[in-house]
Amino acid sequence: KQEVTQIPAALSVPEGENLVLNCSFTDSAIYNLQWFRQDPGKGLTSLLLIQSSQREQTSGRLNASLDKSSGRSTLYIAASQPGDSATYLCAGAGGYGNKLVFGAGTILRVKS
Amino acid sequence: GAVVSQHPSWVICKSGTSVKIECRSLDFQATTMFWYRQFPKQSLMLMATSNEGSKATYEQGVEKDKFLINHASLTLSTLTVTSAHPEDSSFYICSARVRSLYNEQFFGPGTRLTVL
Repeated sequence: KQEVTQIPAALSVPEGENLVLNCSFTDSAIYNLQWFRQDPGKGLTSLLLIQSSQREQTSGRLNASLDKSSGRSTLYIAASQPGDSATYLCAGAGGYGNKLVFGAGTILRVKS
Repeated sequence: GAVVSQHPSWVICKSGTSVKIECRSLDFQATTMFWYRQFPKQSLMLMATSNEGSKATYEQGVEKDKFLINHASLTLSTLTVTSAHPEDSSFYICSARVRSLYNEQFFGPGTRLTVL
């Protein structure tokens, strides 16, 4: 059974800082891994999706990596901005993209 | 592209009533949709997988008679919370899977249910 853990649970950084969010998963037979952003009271916005055959994906200031052998993924945010403040969730998908298992999330606050 | 909508965005109802939540894929066809539940300050938990034209598959511990799911078309799935009670109050989010190389899921904006 897949379990996903995110560290840290909360993070507060000054504007402009580069930061890394961590995600670990127990089942290396992962189909893909997605990073999402959730603003308070809102749904999820997909940030990046990494297929099991890929090592990393980049979108603007975001870079996500995947290491199946160690069961880890990281989300790197460059030059953080106050608008980046949100909860970041990672989720691992089982076979054919079914059954996303979510981590508890990292609450990020970027101070201006 | 890949937009998913939910209706209503929030609903308040009395205990004992039933509430229907709609999930629509606006610009693509989704043979599979998923329903999640999120309690305050907690992560999402998968409730059930909805396949067009067939019965939904429920996760362990989710009462299928309590949470009725209907996937009547390739763009619409509905979740009906029957005889709602205060403990059913939660944030319900649906997602739709895009049939592609990546089988990515796109999420709706969620529905906040409050049962008085």
